[in-house]
Amino acid sequence: DAKTTQPPSMDCAEGRAANLPCNHSTISGNEYVYWYRQIHSQGPQYIIHGLKNNETNEMASLIITEDRKSSTLILPHATLRDTAVYYCIVRVEGTQGGSEKLVFGKGTKLTVNP
Amino acid sequence: AAGVIQSPRHLIKEKRETATLKCYPIPRHDTVYWYQQGPGQDPQFLISFYEKMQSDKGSIPDRFSAQQFSDYHSELNMSSLELGDSALYFCASTRRSGGPVLKTQYFGPGTRLLVL
Repeated sequence: DAKTTQPPSMDCAEGRAANLPCNHSTISGNEYVYWYRQIHSQGPQYIIHGLKNNETNEMASLIITEDRKSSTLILPHATLRDTAVYYCIVRVEGTQGGSEKLVFGKGTKLTVNP
Repeated sequence: AAGVIQSPRHLIKEKRETATLKCYPIPRHDTVYWYQQGPGQDPQFLISFYEKMQSDKGSIPDRFSAQQFSDYHSELNMSSLELGDSALYFCASTRRSGGPVLKTQYFGPGTRLLVL
């Protein structure tokens, strides 16, 4: 699976958009970009994933560049409860019998300030 | 919606003791993953099971073993516990069968193991 690079920490004001970048310059054509977050010592929480098109759900938006070498997770209106470590993970979507383990990197510690 | 259930949530053991952690996947999920997260570290994959067979293995110590049962729940057995085994242990589940659809992993709340 391709490696990812994220800034170690970011700050955001409550109510503003939080834009979390991720570089994955070695991503291959069949690898998806996944975002998870971990709120202090809780189980990692799935946020969103995408292959090449931008995606949006009730939690966030995912913007993937045309060359797929980087992406940005957008939390449109950050709240204090969004304070967490955000992980960008790139992996191949396994077929029957394949391994689909998640390889967590260092992630970005997002702090939402009042 | 039903989530992944892990038990116990907290466990305190002495060195050289054994521990068993349990994971109950989301209904109709057939694949279970175990991750270990040491203090200040990121989650690390240990082992996974699909349809009761081991499907992948990570950096799991030989002192640890795991299995998946016919009802798809899984147990992680840890023997000869060491101080360094103190960590959060997460279980995640997904549904793999049914074709090459996206298989998002959903995590449980974790078991916090403290070895004294």
